[in-house]
Amino acid sequence: GAGVSQSPSNKVTEKGKDVELRCDPISGHTALYWYRQSLGQGLEFLIYFQGNSAPDKSGLPSDRFSAERTGGSVSTLTIQRTQQEDSAVYLCASSQTSGTYNEQFFGPGTRLTVL
Amino acid sequence: GQSLEQPSEVTAVEGAIVQINCTYQTSGFYGLSWYQQHDGGAPTFLSYNALDGLEETGRFSSFLSRSDSYGYLLLQELQMKDSASYFCAVRAPGGGNKLTFGTGTQLKVEL
Repeated sequence: GAGVSQSPSNKVTEKGKDVELRCDPISGHTALYWYRQSLGQGLEFLIYFQGNSAPDKSGLPSDRFSAERTGGSVSTLTIQRTQQEDSAVYLCASSQTSGTYNEQFFGPGTRLTVL
Repeated sequence: GQSLEQPSEVTAVEGAIVQINCTYQTSGFYGLSWYQQHDGGAPTFLSYNALDGLEETGRFSSFLSRSDSYGYLLLQELQMKDSASYFCAVRAPGGGNKLTFGTGTQLKVEL
């Protein structure tokens, strides 16, 4: 079966522009996560969706960042008025359920470069 | 909040055994995970420990001591393809399956 997919794979934008990053989770996975990874660094949690519950937005670094998950499937991460420090790889992951541990399956990421 | 410490880099020779340590500080704890990430690739799950002791999966084993807030990943019979970054991650109460990751250990396997 298909894994987690993300688009675009690379995005170059100018400072101040808005960008949208897309994630298609594995079919049937109820939990979806967004992480950010700067060069040579660990994964920084951004936001987490679980079923129809309100998302956990505790990792979003500023109000320029927002995310939606439509129909419990596809998710879009939006960064408004991009800054150079937003340059990173944005990783999406999905897992089957929350409550008990289920491994997270990661997509290939979107490499964002803000000029 | 949570914080995790790992060595930044480890080098070992093919066929050897290497241990990657992880210490953590958390407000509550459910379990410790390990993920592998090759350069330019996506992280992939290796193991999860919720209870003290050693979990073995083929050449890889993972250990947890909750009283010491410490775990390690043990890689045996190292192969060149094991060269990658290894991340420990903590799952804590109130976060569902949300993980807090360490900064990662880059493992270099040499001939």
